[in-house]
Amino acid sequence: QSALTQPASVSGSPGQSITISCTGTSSDVGGYNYVSWYQQHPGKAPKLMIYEVSNRPSGVPDRFSGSKSGNTASLTISGLQAEDEADYYCSSYTSSSTPWVFGGGTKLTVL
Amino acid sequence: EVQLVESGGGLVQPGGSLRLSCAASGFTFSSYSMNWVRQAPGKGLEWVSYISSSSSTIYYADSVKGRFTISRDNAKNSLYLQMNSLRDEDTAVYYCARSDGNYWGQGTLVTVSS
Repeated sequence: QSALTQPASVSGSPGQSITISCTGTSSDVGGYNYVSWYQQHPGKAPKLMIYEVSNRPSGVPDRFSGSKSGNTASLTISGLQAEDEADYYCSSYTSSSTPWVFGGGTKLTVL
Repeated sequence: EVQLVESGGGLVQPGGSLRLSCAASGFTFSSYSMNWVRQAPGKGLEWVSYISSSSSTIYYADSVKGRFTISRDNAKNSLYLQMNSLRDEDTAVYYCARSDGNYWGQGTLVTVSS
């Protein structure tokens, strides 16, 4: 069982917006502003899309945004495009002896 | 250009050993902490181990503690993962990743099977 909880799947039509949630505890998501989001296409390495809750690395479209409220972080993708279809993982720093924890992943389908 | 290139994966029998390597280039390797993250076939990402820039701090996931050993050689810009007493459930693609999450290798497949 993953430390962070994500929905198994979400879907949306091109041009729509979707939001993926990531729920943890006060020991990880709620306690630190070190939540990241990764995009992974089949057979590829994860790609960082959001770091420190809401920051985008250079080159990531501004259609991707992140936020956090309490123990739940969220990734929002607006203006969905076909190439956004992928698996998305959240991660957080944690105060436990395992400094990096991941969510179980969410499969995004663009209809 | 930052590159992380893993090697050393392969097929090994249960109870066997394997040593993974990760060659880093394009950044000051000695300034960054590093991690190993794995992904079993069809499953999600699982953090495996962390090592600080100077090797002074090391962490392991409970699932590998006592069996895996992380190390690094800053002079060779390389990260390692010594895996002993391998189990079927260790079968996965193993990625090395810089701690800021911005850079990952392409992964190396480890298959544990008799």
